[in-house]
Amino acid sequence: DIQMTQSPSSLSASIGDRVTITCRASSSVDTYLNWYQQKPGKAPKLLIYAASTLQSGVPSRFSGSGSGADFTLTISSLQPEDFATYYCQQSFSSPGTFGQGTRLEIK
Amino acid sequence: EVQLLESGGGLVQPGGSLRLSCVGSGFTFSSYAMSWVRQAPGKGLVWVSIIGGSRNITYSADSVKGRFTISRDNSKNTLYLQMDSLRAEDTAVYYCARGHSGSPRFNFLDNWGQGTLVTVSS
Repeated sequence: DIQMTQSPSSLSASIGDRVTITCRASSSVDTYLNWYQQKPGKAPKLLIYAASTLQSGVPSRFSGSGSGADFTLTISSLQPEDFATYYCQQSFSSPGTFGQGTRLEIK
Repeated sequence: EVQLLESGGGLVQPGGSLRLSCVGSGFTFSSYAMSWVRQAPGKGLVWVSIIGGSRNITYSADSVKGRFTISRDNSKNTLYLQMDSLRAEDTAVYYCARGHSGSPRFNFLDNWGQGTLVTVSS
């Protein structure tokens, strides 16, 4: 199975900050890399698919980049509603493994 | 509006069985692959199983192979997860999620249900 490793595992930031989360695959996943946001007690929500394509309705302050084995999720200017846990997921091979998550907290 | 509604969770003893269901609405159910993803309390997301739109192809995580069976009834817009030989480590919220296409490969999950809690304990 392809292993996905996110860093950092947790992050404290302030409103208006620019934040970057990284995701590394144990082998190439091409651009079959997706990002999800999850708030406490809620289901995950798709943010970005195919490494850099923004899902419909997701604010443009979210962006993704990368290919092969290294990827990033960037939030250009943090808003209060962005404090949540973020997961990457590869869909290159089954099982579609998730990263361990990055918890984004208010500083 | 796409809606996914899971049911069937509950408390079960180790070694027992449970069947989860997920009813989809607001889209052509048979045109989309469907997945189960679970989340143990306080832990991350773990993909469990996926089935193609035409239900002829399935994939499952090694941790559940031989114990869990994914299936679907497109006439009822319903996805199932039959869980047998349950273990304490299967305790989790189980989410039903829609893939973006009918193929079970290269699939991202664009809509999720609210989840159903399965607790395996004596």
